[in-house]
Amino acid sequence: DVKVTQSSRYLVKRTGEKVFLECVQDMDHENMFWYRQDPGLGLRLIYFSYDVKMKEKGDIPEGYSVSREKKERFSLILESASTNQTSMYLCASSLAASGRIEQFFGPGTRLTVL
Amino acid sequence: DQQVKQNSPSLSVQEGRISILNCDYTNSMFDYFLWYKKYPAEGPTFLISISSIKDKNEDGRFTVFLNKSAKHLSLHIVPSQPGDSAVYFCAARISGGYQKVTFGTGTKLQVIP
Repeated sequence: DVKVTQSSRYLVKRTGEKVFLECVQDMDHENMFWYRQDPGLGLRLIYFSYDVKMKEKGDIPEGYSVSREKKERFSLILESASTNQTSMYLCASSLAASGRIEQFFGPGTRLTVL
Repeated sequence: DQQVKQNSPSLSVQEGRISILNCDYTNSMFDYFLWYKKYPAEGPTFLISISSIKDKNEDGRFTVFLNKSAKHLSLHIVPSQPGDSAVYFCAARISGGYQKVTFGTGTKLQVIP
């Protein structure tokens, strides 16, 4: 059974803290993605990576950075957490083959920044 | 700029009837469309997709229709079941855009037993 796991289901942090969200996939997928989901806004892409050490900005990269040192692991970093980064964070992965673009999602991390 | 729009935030349907979820898009460069289903406290799961060269794709109770001239797609669920109650997101990929997709805002479907 294919799997995308995220390090925490719930996380509470304080304003100004550095926050790490970890994502691991066991499907040998080339592509990995970080989204945030907010009510009324759907899923918005923060960053994605199509290969180890490669990254591309998504639609809302401000305040975030990412790291992909190994194929199976993609980390999202909030350098200095702010209250407007309180959200549900979803990690996903997909194959590079153009015929199959569906993404597989992890269960999400509900981050609250106080 | 919302390129993929789901104008109905919610929809209620009786069990056994048809559910029709709609999605509109603005970018004519989209070449692939997908529907995802999301239960509370879980990540979205892929449901069905359609290429822009087709106008219909079926998978069991789920059918997606694409009207390129109207830049509109719809997901039909027949018959609807209580287990279909979830948030449904449509998504679209730009031709040549790696695997990056743009998601809509979602429609919450409630199937009433």
